[in-house]
Amino acid sequence: DVQLTQSPSTLSASVGQRVTITCRASQSVNTRLAWSQQKVGKAPKLLIYEASILESGVPSRFSGSASGTEFTLTISSLQPDDFATYYCQQYETYPLSFGGGTKVEIK
Amino acid sequence: EVQLVESGGGLVKPGDSLRLSCAASGFRFSYDSMAWVRQAPGKGLEWVASISGNSYWIYHADSVKGRFTISRDYAKNTLYLQMDSLRVDDTAIYYCARINVALPGIQSHPIDFWGQGTQVTVSS
Repeated sequence: DVQLTQSPSTLSASVGQRVTITCRASQSVNTRLAWSQQKVGKAPKLLIYEASILESGVPSRFSGSASGTEFTLTISSLQPDDFATYYCQQYETYPLSFGGGTKVEIK
Repeated sequence: EVQLVESGGGLVKPGDSLRLSCAASGFRFSYDSMAWVRQAPGKGLEWVASISGNSYWIYHADSVKGRFTISRDYAKNTLYLQMDSLRVDDTAIYYCARINVALPGIQSHPIDFWGQGTQVTVSS
């Protein structure tokens, strides 16, 4: 089974700051990795799939990249609406798996 | 507009059964795969089960295998999760989700849309 390890688990940042979240897979998932955003009390929302493809309607300040089994979600300039929890998810193989989440808090 | 509306959650005792439903609209229900994903209180997301568009491929997480069964009704455009032998650690919000087969992937594809979830609480 593929384990996804996200870091950090919590991140405190200011509006306008550049933010980077990392997701490390225990084995190759090729580029079959997605990032989703979840706000408190709401369902998750897809941001990026195939490691770096921005979902339609998602602001361009979000970007994703991959290097082997390490994946990165970057928010170029954090906005008030971005304070949420972010999850990576692999869909290369079953069982599907999620990272443990990264909570982005206001500094 | 894609819509997924879950129902059927509630408070039950350990060992009880429950059937969750997810009414789908706004897309070709028979084309896309579907999934159930749950989230225990204060915890992260956990995949539970998936079913292909034609119901040929069905997968369940080890944590629910033999107790939960995913299925779909094409006439009603509805996804189901039959949950038997419920345990306290099954307590969670259960989300219905669309796996969009038009997006890249082989064995699976990205989850691109989620319902709002239904709460299942298992307690004596």
